[in-house]
Amino acid sequence: DGGITQSPKYLFRKEGQNVTLSCEQNLNHDAMYWYRQDPGQGLRLIYYSQIVNDFQKGDIAEGYSVSREKKESFPLTVTSAQKNPTAFYLCASSIDKGGRGADTQYFGPGTRLTVL
Amino acid sequence: GDSVTQMEGPVTLSEEAFLTINCTYTATGYPSLFWYVQYPGEGLQLLLKATKADDKGSNKGFEATYRKETTSFHLEKGSVQVSDSAVYFCALKDNGGSNYKLTFGKGTLLTVNP
Repeated sequence: DGGITQSPKYLFRKEGQNVTLSCEQNLNHDAMYWYRQDPGQGLRLIYYSQIVNDFQKGDIAEGYSVSREKKESFPLTVTSAQKNPTAFYLCASSIDKGGRGADTQYFGPGTRLTVL
Repeated sequence: GDSVTQMEGPVTLSEEAFLTINCTYTATGYPSLFWYVQYPGEGLQLLLKATKADDKGSNKGFEATYRKETTSFHLEKGSVQVSDSAVYFCALKDNGGSNYKLTFGKGTLLTVNP
C-alpha cells in the first residue's frame, strides 16, 4: 500500500539533546513537508523540500534541521536550540506541478515529541 | 498575507443533527481550498477540496462550496454520526507562482453524542 510512514509514534527527549524524526513515503511524490501542531492551533510549516538535495525554510525553522538525500525520505532533526520542542510533528508529501507549485498534500500519522 | 479563519469550537451535536463549520479566507492570489479531518492521535486526512470558484467538494456526506464573492468555504453535513467526532481544519494554497505552502485555520473540534 502506498503511503507516508513516520516513526516513532511517541518520542521522549531530555533537555539539551538532539532528536531525529523519520518520514518515509512510497507515493513517488517530489515534494515533502514538515509541520508542527500545538494544542488549539493550526499547523505551522517548519521546512519543505521540492526536490532531492534541496529544501526551504518554512515559517518556524529556527531550532530545526532537515536533509533530503533520497526522494523517499525527509528526516527532521529537532536540535537543542529549539526552545519549546514538545509538540505533535506531521510530515506530508505532494506531487510537484513543475513550476506551478504543488498538488494536494497528504499527511503521515505523526510523531508526538515530549521533552522531559 | 494569506490567512484562514474558522469558527472556534468545540461544537457538540447529537447524532443525525445538521453540521455547519464556517471557514473564511484571505488570499492574494487564486487559492485552492481544502478541508482536512484529524481523528484523535492521528495525522490529517484530506476530506474534500475545491480548486476554483463555485466548485463544490464532497466526500462521505460532507460538502463545501468555494464562494469567491464571500471568500468562504463552509463545511456542511446533513446528518452527523458519532464516528464524525474529530478536529476539522480548513486550509488554502495560493496558486500564484510556484507556491508550496498550505495555510491552515486553527481547527474546530466536533463531538457527536449518541
